Amino acid sequence: AQSVTQLGSHVSVSEGALVLLRCNYSSSVPPYLFWYVQYPNQGLQLLLKYTTGATLVKGINGFEAEFKKSETSFHLTKPSAHMSDAAEYFCAVRDQGGKLIFGQGTELSVKP
Amino acid sequence: DAEITQSPRHKITETGRQVTLACHQTWNHNNMFWYRQDLGHGLRLIHYSYGVQDTNKGEVSDGYSVSRSNTEDLPLTLESAASSQTSVYFCASSPGQPADEQYFGPGTRLTVT
Repeated sequence: AQSVTQLGSHVSVSEGALVLLRCNYSSSVPPYLFWYVQYPNQGLQLLLKYTTGATLVKGINGFEAEFKKSETSFHLTKPSAHMSDAAEYFCAVRDQGGKLIFGQGTELSVKP
Repeated sequence: DAEITQSPRHKITETGRQVTLACHQTWNHNNMFWYRQDLGHGLRLIHYSYGVQDTNKGEVSDGYSVSRSNTEDLPLTLESAASSQTSVYFCASSPGQPADEQYFGPGTRLTVT
């Protein structure tokens, strides 16, 4: 069975600092992996996804993630945080039935 | 533009009442999903559908039901609302291919008093 673990329910960074949100997955088949962002009082919006091919995936708003099979990880990064990046971030893995299995979420705070 | 909508956006109801939350998508997606979001639990799958007349139970389906009579709609019904069902509910849809992401609605905040 597939599962997702996001390390750290809350991460705080200063504006301009590196953002690193950690995600580890468990999957019995080659995984399809997703990062979503949720701004306050809104639905989830896709940031990026990994399906096959290049292991470094670029998404919207300057975010990227690297699929590392040996480490079963799919960490999300952004070189320089902006105040507008403050939101909750969810990592997800697609299971064999087509459903998404979500992590618990990581709330990102950005300090001026 | 194609979209996914949910109604109502906010609902307050009393314990024991039947409540139906609407979800409508205009993408003609085969797959539709209902989640609830609670602090500390992330998103948990309630029910899902892979097409008309198809419905399946998710992780937390007790007390909820869905029906899929057309491609566009997947209403979620709480048969007898309980305080434990106070939550934010999200509907999502996807075309159905393995690499496809899910597209989420704006959510419905339900309070059961």
